[in-house]
Amino acid sequence: DIQMTQSPSTLSASVGDRVTVTCRASQSVSQWLAWYQQRAGRPPKLLIYKTSSLQSGVPSRFSGSGSGTEFTLTISSLQPDDFATYYCQRYNGYSPGGTFGQGTKVEIK
Amino acid sequence: QVQLVESGGGVVQLGRSLRLSCEVSGFSVSSYAMHWVRQAPGKGLEWVAVISDNGNDKYYGDSVKGRFAISRDNSKNTLYLQMNSLRGEDTAVYYCARSTYSDYLLGYWGQGTLVTVSS
Repeated sequence: DIQMTQSPSTLSASVGDRVTVTCRASQSVSQWLAWYQQRAGRPPKLLIYKTSSLQSGVPSRFSGSGSGTEFTLTISSLQPDDFATYYCQRYNGYSPGGTFGQGTKVEIK
Repeated sequence: QVQLVESGGGVVQLGRSLRLSCEVSGFSVSSYAMHWVRQAPGKGLEWVAVISDNGNDKYYGDSVKGRFAISRDNSKNTLYLQMNSLRGEDTAVYYCARSTYSDYLLGYWGQGTLVTVSS
């Protein structure tokens, strides 16, 4: 099974900071990598799919990059609404399943 | 407007069974791959199960394989998760989700229903 590993587990930042979260896959997932945001007490929300495509309605301060086994989510200027937990997910490949990373909590510094 | 509403959660004893439902509106449950994803208290997301749009393919995460069964009723536009032989580690909020763009990309989520397995 493909394993997804995110780093860091927790990230402390201030409003206006540039923030980067990394996701590594145990084997290549090509471009089939998505990012979700989950605010406290809420269901996850799709932010980015196919590594770098922004879901409709998602602010342009969010961006994604990478390929193969290493991917990044970047928030160019952190806003108050962005304090949340972020999950990567591989969603295609040679085996069924939509494996998630363990999550990265972005908290207020 | 796409909506997914889970129900059926609650407190259940170890080893017993429970069936979750997810009533959808704004689309047909038979037109998309549909998923269950769970989240244990204070933990991350765990993908649980999927049923394909044609209903012929069902896949499960390793931790629930052989105990859980995903199904749907097209006439009721409802997705189900039958959970048997429940364990303490099955305690979680269970979300149903609809695919978008790709079978395993989860574009729409319900609010979740909490299942607590007690001894």
